[in-house]
Amino acid sequence: KQEVTQIPAALSVPEGENLVLNCSFTDSAIYNLQWFRQDPGKGLTSLLLIQSSQREQTSGRLNASLDKSSGRSTLYIAASQPGDSATYLCAGRGSGTYKYIFGTGTRLKVLA
Amino acid sequence: GAGVSQTPSNKVTEKGKYVELRCDPISGHTALYWYRQSLGQGPEFLIYFQGTGAADDSGLPNDRFFAVRPEGSVSTLKIQRTERGDSAVYLCASSLANSPGGEQFFGPGTRLTVL
Repeated sequence: KQEVTQIPAALSVPEGENLVLNCSFTDSAIYNLQWFRQDPGKGLTSLLLIQSSQREQTSGRLNASLDKSSGRSTLYIAASQPGDSATYLCAGRGSGTYKYIFGTGTRLKVLA
Repeated sequence: GAGVSQTPSNKVTEKGKYVELRCDPISGHTALYWYRQSLGQGPEFLIYFQGTGAADDSGLPNDRFFAVRPEGSVSTLKIQRTERGDSAVYLCASSLANSPGGEQFFGPGTRLTVL
């Protein structure tokens, strides 16, 4: 059974720091992977999607990478801002299945 | 609106009652997912539709849960004989296509509380 671990579970940093959030899958055969942010009481906002033929995606201050040999993904946030405070979730789907498996998230707080 | 919408935003019901939760996906999105999220957890997959058909319903917890998408657009999640353990936020997501792995866009969710 596929399981997803996100480390750290919570993180509090001063504004301006560069951050790395980690996501690892017990089954490394990930077909595609998506990172989301979730604000309290809200739905999920898509940040980055790494498709089957890709290893990395970048959007503004965000960079996500996927190592398919190990089943590990990292989300890099550069020059963090208070507005980045949210819970960050990763979700992966294996080849041959439609089912996305989510991690439990990393709760990020960026202090002004 | 351009995004995924879900109604109602909140639903309070009594144990044993029947509820319906509605999802309006982004226009043109053929793939639709339902998830359930409990407090402090990531979303848990329930069911996936490609067009009108349920391609994977392996996440539905039991036969009290059923979902339809009769015209390939709006979907309704139906829960019979609700139990207190069904209380959660029910999220819907749509995607333009499932191959080669479309980006999912989520609605704001329906918070279901079973008293």
